[in-house]
Amino acid sequence: DSGVTQTPKHLITATGQRVTLRCSPRSGDLSVYWYQQSLDQGLQFLIHYYNGEERAKGNILERFSAQQFPDLHSELNLSSLELGDSALYFCASSVGLDRNTEAFFGQGTRLTVV
Amino acid sequence: GENVEQHPSTLSVQEGDSAVIKCTYSDSASNYFPWYKQELGKRPQLIIDIRSNVGEKKDQRIAVTLNKTAKHFSLHITETQPEDSAVYFCAASNPPSGYSTLTFGKGTMLLVSP
Repeated sequence: DSGVTQTPKHLITATGQRVTLRCSPRSGDLSVYWYQQSLDQGLQFLIHYYNGEERAKGNILERFSAQQFPDLHSELNLSSLELGDSALYFCASSVGLDRNTEAFFGQGTRLTVV
Repeated sequence: GENVEQHPSTLSVQEGDSAVIKCTYSDSASNYFPWYKQELGKRPQLIIDIRSNVGEKKDQRIAVTLNKTAKHFSLHITETQPEDSAVYFCAASNPPSGYSTLTFGKGTMLLVSP
């Protein structure tokens, strides 16, 4: 157990819908990262939050957004869902300082868009 | 941004053989290089990492080497066992403003046959 909790584990929804994925980082970790994993694209970095502030953006679509709350949990919002958004979404957390950059991954949320 | 290339995409070895996975990165400012192992349906887990001030690091049957001049790093697994079968991801981290973001390679599926 990495200490990173993601809910839900599985999600099935229809095209055009909106979903929210939730992540609770390890105790003491201030950084939260979101990754999308699909068969053909590997692990794609989406977005990074540190202590409530957005720090870096990767290949995140405009239909997707995220935030990190004062209690440090994070949510990834996916809207106007398309079939191609079906993937495994991972959240990872780390202390967030350069001297300790190990990222611990949650178990992931498997999103299926039908 | 950073770009990480990983080879080979699949690797089949016999139990007891060695396995080598190679990665190259593009951003010379990257200074942290972790390797993650992902078993089927599970989360990526850190198995070893190396920082730019070190050329080689070893942990039992696993070793990682880094050549900063050539911008490549490699994972070496000796005396492979069937339980080493998994997908292995290399990553590079370039911390702007002191915060790390990992860019992953596309992964290598390692199959160890008994």
